[in-house]
Amino acid sequence: DSGVTQTPKHLITATGQRVTLRCSPRSGDLSVYWYQQSLDQGLQFLIQYYNGEERAKGNILERFSAQQFPDLHSELNLSSLELGDSALYFCASSVGVTVTDTQYFGPGTRLTVL
Amino acid sequence: KNQVEQSPQSLIILEGKNCTLQCNYTVSPFSNLRWYKQDTGRGPVSLTIMTFSENTKSNGRYTATLDADTKQSSLHITASQLSDSASYICVVSNYTGTASKLTFGTGTRLQVTL
Repeated sequence: DSGVTQTPKHLITATGQRVTLRCSPRSGDLSVYWYQQSLDQGLQFLIQYYNGEERAKGNILERFSAQQFPDLHSELNLSSLELGDSALYFCASSVGVTVTDTQYFGPGTRLTVL
Repeated sequence: KNQVEQSPQSLIILEGKNCTLQCNYTVSPFSNLRWYKQDTGRGPVSLTIMTFSENTKSNGRYTATLDADTKQSSLHITASQLSDSASYICVVSNYTGTASKLTFGTGTRLQVTL
C-alpha cells in the first residue's frame, strides 16, 4: 500500500459525459501527479500540482482539467468523454519536486467509456 | 524529442533463471533514471533510482546499471521468482528548474513460469 488513495476504483460512463476522479496523496506529500495509461501503452504524464499550484503540464487534453485543493487532495475532471479516453488513470504523490523525490502511485481508477 | 525505448517488449523465463532488461533514452538534460515494477492493473512501484554519477544500484535481487555516456540502462533480475511477473518500466527524469518532467518507456512485460 503506497498511501495514495484514489476513488472510484472503477467508472463506467457514456460518450459525451463528464466524470471526476479523486486522489488523496500520502500524508506529508505536497506534489500530486496525474497519469493516463491506455491499454498496452505506457504511462502518459498529464499534469502536476505542488501545494495547490500547477507546476508542470504534459499531454493533457483541453477537455481535461485538474486542481489541487487546500487539503492537498486533487481531482481530475474529464469532460466530453470519447471512447479513446477509456484507460487507467493513476495519481502519484511525492514530497516535493526535487529530482530524487520518489513518486508513490495510487491503485488507479479504471475508466470505461461506452 | 525526449524518448525512452525498452527492450525486449516481452519476455518469458523459467523460475530461478536470470534476465536482463534494456532501456535506451534520449532525454536531455538528464537528471535521474528509475526502474519501476508494475503488477497488472496496479500502480507502479519504484525499484531503483540512479543519478548521473551512479552506474550501478541494487535492490535485493534487482540490479540496475547506468551508462550516461551511451544513454543506456539495464535492469538485471537474479534468481527470478513467480512474483517477478510484471511490467518493468524505465523512467527518465529531466529537471527544468521548477519541476521534474518524466518520460516513461512502454515497459517490458516479464512472465516467470514454472
